[in-house]
Order: sequence, then C-alpha cells, then structure tokens
Amino acid sequence: NAGVTQTPKFQVLKTGQSMTLQCAQDMNHEYMSWYRQDPGMGLRLIHYSVGAGITDQGEVPNGYNVSRSTTEDFPLRLLSAAPSQTSVYFCASSRQGFRGYTFGSGTRLTVV
Amino acid sequence: KQEVTQIPAALSVPEGENLVLNCSFTDSAIYNLQWFRQDPGKGLTSLLLIQSSQREQTSGRLNASLDKSSGRSTLYIAASQPGDSATYLCAGSQGGSEKLVFGKGTKLTVNP
Repeated sequence: NAGVTQTPKFQVLKTGQSMTLQCAQDMNHEYMSWYRQDPGMGLRLIHYSVGAGITDQGEVPNGYNVSRSTTEDFPLRLLSAAPSQTSVYFCASSRQGFRGYTFGSGTRLTVV
Repeated sequence: KQEVTQIPAALSVPEGENLVLNCSFTDSAIYNLQWFRQDPGKGLTSLLLIQSSQREQTSGRLNASLDKSSGRSTLYIAASQPGDSATYLCAGSQGGSEKLVFGKGTKLTVNP
C-alpha cells in the first residue's frame, strides 16, 4: 500500500543510548518531515527535507540528526537519548506545491 | 513566530448536531491549510486541504473554509455521528514555505 511507513512502532531506550527511527515513503514525494507530539504541546517540527541531499532544522532540532540520501528514506537519529525525548514521533511527506501531507502511523518512544 | 489556536479545546455533543471547530493563526499570512483527524493512539488522517488559490473545500459532511484576511479557518461537521469522535487538528503553512505549523487540537466526543 502506498504511504509513509515508520519503524519501529514502539521503542524503549535507556538514557544515553542512540537509535535511528526509520521513515520510508513510496509516493515519490519531495518533502519529508519529522514531528514530535507531546501532551499539551501539539505537534512540533524537528527536521525537514525538500529533496535528496537537502535537510534543514525545524522548531526543536536539538538532540536529533537527519540525512536524506534517497527520495524515499528520511531516518531520524537520536544521538544520546534523554528522558525529555520521550514522545510520539511522526514522519510525514508531501508533493512539492503543497498537495497535502501524508503521515505515518508513528513511533512511540520511551526513554528511561 | 507563527502560533495556532484551536477553539474549543474539547467539545461534547449529542449525535445529529451540526458543529463548528475554529482555528486561528497569529500571522494571518496563511498560504495553505490542512485539517486532520487523529484517533487515540493513531496517526493523522487528512480530511481537507485548502491550497493557496482556494477559500473552501467540502468532503461529504465536512466543510472547511479559510479567511486569509483574518487568518481564521473553520471546520463544519454536519449531522455529527459517534464515529466522528476524535481529535481534530488544523495546520497551516506560509508563503514560500511548505512547513506546517499545528494547533493543539479540538477533542470531539459525539454521544449516541
């Protein structure tokens, strides 16, 4: 099925561990974004990409890295996990020209 | 910094009622707007998309409008049903950018 696929769906990390959240889309979308969703805070943009090889920071980029080597994939790396990074992470993609965003089903991350 | 306010934060109505959800942007220069639905523990599902040249969109019992002079959007739900119970999120982007800024959502409960 066409769409945005996120893995894993759930993850528990210990403080200081690193990990990569995977995001892949098969719609040939140019734009891809990572958001985190926290109670009472809404969705906040972490990083985004307008195409392969091009990334930029969003509202809350600290502690996260991204790269975009292909159009399809946009992984999010947590360098040294902290309890403040406990959240639900969503990946989204869109065609250029604002055709509307498609969201993945999310990764629920807990850092203990 | 663009901020988005959604009013009310929560709403409980009996089945069959027509209702209006509101969304406003601190910077009225909203270029594109998207309304989403989110069920508990799930991802975001796109409902309606208003692009830069549009003022209104309709899909079934849903109608969304955007007043670009004031930066306000409304989502109208006709003849509400228990299956409409969910959190509704609005998100907008400004000219030259396709980054979405989200409101915190309106939690809707439709009682049978």
